[in-house]
Amino acid sequence: KQEVTQIPAALSVPEGENLVLNCSFTDSAIYNLQWFRQDPGKGLTSLLLIQSSQREQTSGRLNASLDKSSGRSTLYIAASQPGDSATYLCAVRFGVNYGQNFVFGPGTRLSVLP
Amino acid sequence: DTAVSQTPKYLVTQMGNDKSIKCEQNLGHDTMYWYKQDSKKFLKIMFSYNNKELIINETVPNRFSPKSPDKAHLNLHINSLELGDSAVYFCASSQDAWAVLYTGELFFGEGSRLTVL
Repeated sequence: KQEVTQIPAALSVPEGENLVLNCSFTDSAIYNLQWFRQDPGKGLTSLLLIQSSQREQTSGRLNASLDKSSGRSTLYIAASQPGDSATYLCAVRFGVNYGQNFVFGPGTRLSVLP
Repeated sequence: DTAVSQTPKYLVTQMGNDKSIKCEQNLGHDTMYWYKQDSKKFLKIMFSYNNKELIINETVPNRFSPKSPDKAHLNLHINSLELGDSAVYFCASSQDAWAVLYTGELFFGEGSRLTVL
């Protein structure tokens, strides 16, 4: 069964800290992996997309890595800010299709304290 | 202007009722989706339409019926609501069903929270 898990479920850090969010997935035969941000009462916003042939992607203070062989991805957030507070979801495309196998993890709820 | 808009944002209703959630996108996209986010926060795809044609129909009860009058709209109608239908329903759109694989450009609405009493 294709599953995506995220640890921890919630994380609270003081402003300015660097932090890492973890995502694990079953089945290393993935097509790509995507990180999203979800603010309370809002929809999801795409942050980074890593294709299966890539090892990492960077956007500003965010860096996502992918290790297919171990079934893991990490999202590194540098110099965290209160505005980074949100739920971060990892989603994996298991195969090339219309989206049937686009599986989301449950998310990590991040709180960055001023 | 909101790219993907859903109405209503909140819906509280009794078991057995029929309700609809509407979704509109002004991005000119060909493909639209309905996702369900349950109480454990897992987001799962329910349906997808590409240019008004159904391309994904996951294992959902047939009480759920999507309708796409044109490619800018994808509505979700639910008959005989049950307690387990309580969730947040998200509409999303992408340029088409294939480009999203390469770009990851999937745009979500703000969600419609359905509570069945």
